[in-house]
Order: sequence, then structure tokens, then C-alpha cells
Amino acid sequence: QVQLVQSGAEVKKPGASVKVSCKASGYTFVSFGINWLRQAPGQRLEWMGWISPYNGDTKYAQNFQDRVTMTTDTSTSTSYMEVTSLGSEDTAVYYCARDAFPQYSYAELWLDPWGQGTLVTVSS
Amino acid sequence: DIVMTQSPDSLAVSLGERATITCKSSQTILYNSNNKNYLAWYQQRPGQPPKLLIYWASTRESGVPDRFSGSGSGTDFTLTISSLQAADVAVYYCQQYYATPLTFGGGTKVEIK
Repeated sequence: QVQLVQSGAEVKKPGASVKVSCKASGYTFVSFGINWLRQAPGQRLEWMGWISPYNGDTKYAQNFQDRVTMTTDTSTSTSYMEVTSLGSEDTAVYYCARDAFPQYSYAELWLDPWGQGTLVTVSS
Repeated sequence: DIVMTQSPDSLAVSLGERATITCKSSQTILYNSNNKNYLAWYQQRPGQPPKLLIYWASTRESGVPDRFSGSGSGTDFTLTISSLQAADVAVYYCQQYYATPLTFGGGTKVEIK
């Protein structure tokens, strides 16, 4: 079955960076874009950006484009999302989520399925 | 950015009764060229990631029970659970995919009365 499995929880100090992974299985990895989102405590879901595993094209949300880098490794069907210069406001559960159907260039879509989430805690 | 506003924030419904959640977008999310509303609904059970229920505002995802239905057009949308079951206790979110960035409503928590 189609599945996205994310890396485990992280605790980071302010100013540090974090890199979260998302391993895909059950489908042709390069055919579907991967989105990254986060959900801070008490806040709504926030879309961070998208990457095409086919050609590495990215689309970042304006709020994150200076601090976020999304990459993929097609040899392991894994997508990565790195956030730099962490602050306490970055404490959140981070999710990867697949585009609902295949596309090689960015277009807005609904998301299915989602990874299980990775809790990133930023604390001194 | 398109702002999605859900109401209520929470509701408690008796088992077997109807639950209704509304979602309003700050601008139309109806694409005139194909007459489709670019809206999805998700269910998030405690400790789980969001799960897709409905897309194109009213198309139920495969495997989703038919007690879930979506309706509305333009800027006003509704998710209805026709007969609430214990398994439906969750937070429900709407999401627009009309424009970047993708944006979500604040969520509606559904509980058993």
C-alpha cells in the first residue's frame, strides 16, 4: 500500500538546523510531488512547500523560502526537508504529504497520503 | 493568501445524529473554466495524521463511508456526517487548492455528546 514513513522526533537548540526525512513506498516515487507542512501547538496546518522527485523542482511558501531546503534521493525513494536558524516558534509536528495524483510540475492539489508526522522541539 | 474559516470550533453530537461543519473561503475557490470547487476535507483522529475524506468539494475518497458528504460552491462549503459514529471523533479540516500557498481552516473538533 502507498505509505510515507518519516524520521523520528528531534530536539534542537535555538539557532540550530533540523533535517526530516520521508521515505515513500508502494508507488512510483518520481511520479508524484511531495509536500511539506507543519502544525504548531494550537495552530492550523501550514503548507511549507513542494518538491518534484522527478526533476528536483521546488516551490516554497514565502514564509519559509529563506530557511527551508527540500531535496529528494530517488535511489532510496526518500524526500528531505531541512529548516535552518530554528526558533521556539518552529516547535511543531512536521508532515510530508503526497500529491493526490501524478504531476511533474507544480500545481495545487489535495494531499493523500500523509506521513505519520515528526515532532520537532526547539528549546534551550 | 486565501483564508479559510471554519465553524464551529467544536461540537458535541449524540451517536446517530447529524454533525454539520462549515468552511468559508476569503475569495471564491470555484474555477469557472471547469466549474470545479478547489476544496478538500480531512479527518484527523488523535495522534494520527490527516486523512483525506473529500475533494472537489463533494467527491468522496474511495473507502470513505457514505455518511460523510460535502457540499457548497464559491466561498461557502459544508461537511456533513449524517449519522455520527464513535469512530468519527476527530478534528476536521478544510483545505483550498485553488491557489498557492495551500491553506487550511482552523479545524473543528467533533465529540460525542
